[in-house]
Amino acid sequence: DIQLTQSPSFLSASVGDRVTITCRASQGISSYLAWYQQKPGKAPKLLIYAASTLQSGVPSRFSGSGSGTEFTLTISSLQPEDFATYYCQQLNSYPPSTFGQGTRLEIK
Amino acid sequence: QVQLQESGPGLVKPSQTLSLTCTVSGGSISSGGYYWSWIRQHPGKGLEWIGYIYYSGSTYYNPSLKSRVTISVDTSKNQFSLKLSSVTAADTAVYYCARGGSSGYSKYYFDYWGQGTLVTVSS
Repeated sequence: DIQLTQSPSFLSASVGDRVTITCRASQGISSYLAWYQQKPGKAPKLLIYAASTLQSGVPSRFSGSGSGTEFTLTISSLQPEDFATYYCQQLNSYPPSTFGQGTRLEIK
Repeated sequence: QVQLQESGPGLVKPSQTLSLTCTVSGGSISSGGYYWSWIRQHPGKGLEWIGYIYYSGSTYYNPSLKSRVTISVDTSKNQFSLKLSSVTAADTAVYYCARGGSSGYSKYYFDYWGQGTLVTVSS
């Protein structure tokens, strides 16, 4: 099975900061990767799919990049509502969909 | 606006069958074009995809759960359901239903989710 490893697992940052979260796949997955945001007690929200395509309605301060085994999610200028846990998800391999362990983003 | 709502018992005894239903509003399952999934999240942990169904009844399950999972659809009620048999404490989790895309890899891009329901397995 393909393993996804997110780093860091925990990130402390301030409003206005630029932050980057990395997701590494144990094998190449082309661009079949998505990113989700989850706030406490809520369902995940799709932010980015196909590694770099912004989901409709998601602010443009979110961006994704990468292909193969290394991917990044960048938030260009953190807003108070962005503090949450972020998950990457791969769709390329057996089993067909697995998620990373999450990156918790907290206010410094 | 598509909305999904999970329903079912919040407590299930070990060795019994967990049964949940997802009711879809704001869109018709039978119109096709989307795959409907169940996903779970163990307390304080990450996400695990369980399986999906298409309006035709075609299903695909996570191999790690396949022997215990059944997903079905009732287009007349605009609902789809999950049954997970022989549950143990390890099946305690928040269970979500979600909508995936129409084909290929997009089946696994989940753009609408229910709010989730906690199911505890305990005697």
